[in-house]
Amino acid sequence: KAGVTQTPRYLIKTRGQQVTLSCSPISGHRSVSWYQQTPGQGLQFLFEYFSETQRNKGNFPGRFSGRQFSNSRSEMNVSTLELGDSALYLCASSSSGGASETQYFGPGTRLLVL
Amino acid sequence: AQSVTQLDSQVPVFEEAPVELRCNYSSSVSVYLFWYVQYPNQGLQLLLKYLSGSTLVESINGFEAEFNKSQTSFHLRKPSVHISDTAEYFCAVTPTGGGNKLTFGTGTQLKVEL
Repeated sequence: KAGVTQTPRYLIKTRGQQVTLSCSPISGHRSVSWYQQTPGQGLQFLFEYFSETQRNKGNFPGRFSGRQFSNSRSEMNVSTLELGDSALYLCASSSSGGASETQYFGPGTRLLVL
Repeated sequence: AQSVTQLDSQVPVFEEAPVELRCNYSSSVSVYLFWYVQYPNQGLQLLLKYLSGSTLVESINGFEAEFNKSQTSFHLRKPSVHISDTAEYFCAVTPTGGGNKLTFGTGTQLKVEL
């Protein structure tokens, strides 16, 4: 089975721009979660989608948004980029999003905001 | 809300020596506990998890962790480390009644030296 894939792997943007990141979950997985990883704040939960609905949300401003498609693929969007948005964005998938389930992480998208 | 504390940011150890990576958590509700490992330039991989039952859980590559409810700890141990164990290790928790929303510690960088 193919693992979680994320595209693109690397991105360079400038302040004020917007960016869209993509995540394809493991086949059959319906839950997709997004995390931001930075040296200063560590790993922080952004949001989780299940069956095209946002089910959980972390403490991030409204500039961060996401969506999930009927094939469970997910995108996250960051508008009006700030320097502090530079981070590794990780996507994880699981079968149905239950708390006890293992989350399978992708390799991440590294975003640099200049 | 939950919080996770990993007291050691870096742990240097010689190959074949034992190691313990410490993790303490705080939560007002019951939680599941996880250890994830991140190798350089890769996403996170589940190492082991505690859901219920025996408080000692083991991974396939020789790591083990013990859940201690009274001390709210979930320390990770390995009796003899290998160079290939060099990686960053993250402790995480999620409420048993919630979905896929992991709260991570700040990570411990394990560096195994010859």
